Amino acid sequence: ETGVTQTPRHLVMGMTNKKSLKCEQHLGHNAMYWYKQSAKKPLELMFVYNFKEQTENNSVPSRFSPECPNSSHLFLHLHTLQPEDSALYLCASSQDAEGLKPQHFGDGTRLSIL
Amino acid sequence: KQEVTQIPAALSVPEGENLVLNCSFTDSAIYNLQWFRQDPGKGLTSLLLIQSSQREQTSGRLNASLDKSSGRSTLYIAASQPGDSATYLCAVRHISSNTGKLIFGQGTTLQVKP
Repeated sequence: ETGVTQTPRHLVMGMTNKKSLKCEQHLGHNAMYWYKQSAKKPLELMFVYNFKEQTENNSVPSRFSPECPNSSHLFLHLHTLQPEDSALYLCASSQDAEGLKPQHFGDGTRLSIL
Repeated sequence: KQEVTQIPAALSVPEGENLVLNCSFTDSAIYNLQWFRQDPGKGLTSLLLIQSSQREQTSGRLNASLDKSSGRSTLYIAASQPGDSATYLCAVRHISSNTGKLIFGQGTTLQVKP
């Protein structure tokens, strides 16, 4: 299996639920990213990890909690989300974390908050 | 604050036409600019990455140009095909970012009619 794989592809949850999104990359990259894509808004960066260390948190609410156990896996733990958090959540990876190399994206998790 | 604008928001052309998509950015202090393609319900596919020192990049029927001083980039698609129908996004990496943070435009949705 190659590329960036995200699971699940679709997720519906209530505001009091706790769930996690998973991202796995098989490209040997060192950096991983979480993005949020809402309708009518540009893609927004949420978090950046470089060699498992978080290097950027783009003022993301604490109800989103990222975890990067190794350079190949990235999680986004969700709890007590709000309806406005409904969006497509995209994971990406790149060879470097400086942005000099292209970022490769997964197909995303479509999240709906009831 | 860096802002990225893409015009038009949507474009419909007959098959075989050559077309140009536009991207403008407010702050010329960038490391690079990247063009992506996004199919419905899918993640982003990197098409071309232009470093700030470059003027253009070519891949097959695609040619991307960069005029950093004027804050503009164009994506030229030659001999368009129905398979080119997708949303095209441009993104810039500002020189103040050392984490690979990309600032995205809202995209141009292209429809190529057979």
